[in-house]
Amino acid sequence: QTVVTQEPSLTVSPGGTVTLTCASSTGAVTSGYYPNWFQQKPGQAPRALIYSTSNKHSWTPARFSGSLLGGKAALTLSGVQPEDEAEYYCLLYYGGEWVFGGGTKLTVL
Amino acid sequence: EVQLVESGGGLVQPGRSLRLTCTASGFTFVDSTMSWFRQAPGKGLEWIGFIRSKASGGTTGYAASVKDRFIISRDDSKSIAYLQMNSLETEDTAVYYCVRDRPLDYWGQGTLVTVSS
Repeated sequence: QTVVTQEPSLTVSPGGTVTLTCASSTGAVTSGYYPNWFQQKPGQAPRALIYSTSNKHSWTPARFSGSLLGGKAALTLSGVQPEDEAEYYCLLYYGGEWVFGGGTKLTVL
Repeated sequence: EVQLVESGGGLVQPGRSLRLTCTASGFTFVDSTMSWFRQAPGKGLEWIGFIRSKASGGTTGYAASVKDRFIISRDDSKSIAYLQMNSLETEDTAVYYCVRDRPLDYWGQGTLVTVSS
């Protein structure tokens, strides 16, 4: 069974920079896994942020960026805002099925 | 404005069936792949399956956890995607979301399905 692993929690100061990662139990994450990133706040539906590793949606703030880093997919927030406090999920494609990571709870403190 | 509205959720007994509806507007539904996801209370997100556009074959794909129990279909004349859920189990209790795919961008607000006796 494929497992996608994210940091359970991270804390960042307002204005700071933080990188969330997404690892695959099958090995290095490549662009062929079409990494997606989603943000979810309590009581709300998820919101798409990044698709296909680094592509932003029209509503994605410029401070969010996606990349591949050290064999993992990564989401970097630069100049973190208080409203960025949320749960973040990565999603990887395994040839016909999508698998989510367990989510990273980002605290802005 | 793109809108996805799920409906059909509610309380259902284990072993019974339920059909969810996703009504789409604001985009060319007939050309779109549609996916379903769910989230159990207090848990993470889970992909359920997708249905491609008829132009792309109209094929479907499912997660192992729901394969052979859930069926995704579409009615392009009504811009609706369906999720037929059979042999429901208590573990299927979740908020169910439909999402426009390729890329995954717009999400509905979700509909809660509670499987309990």
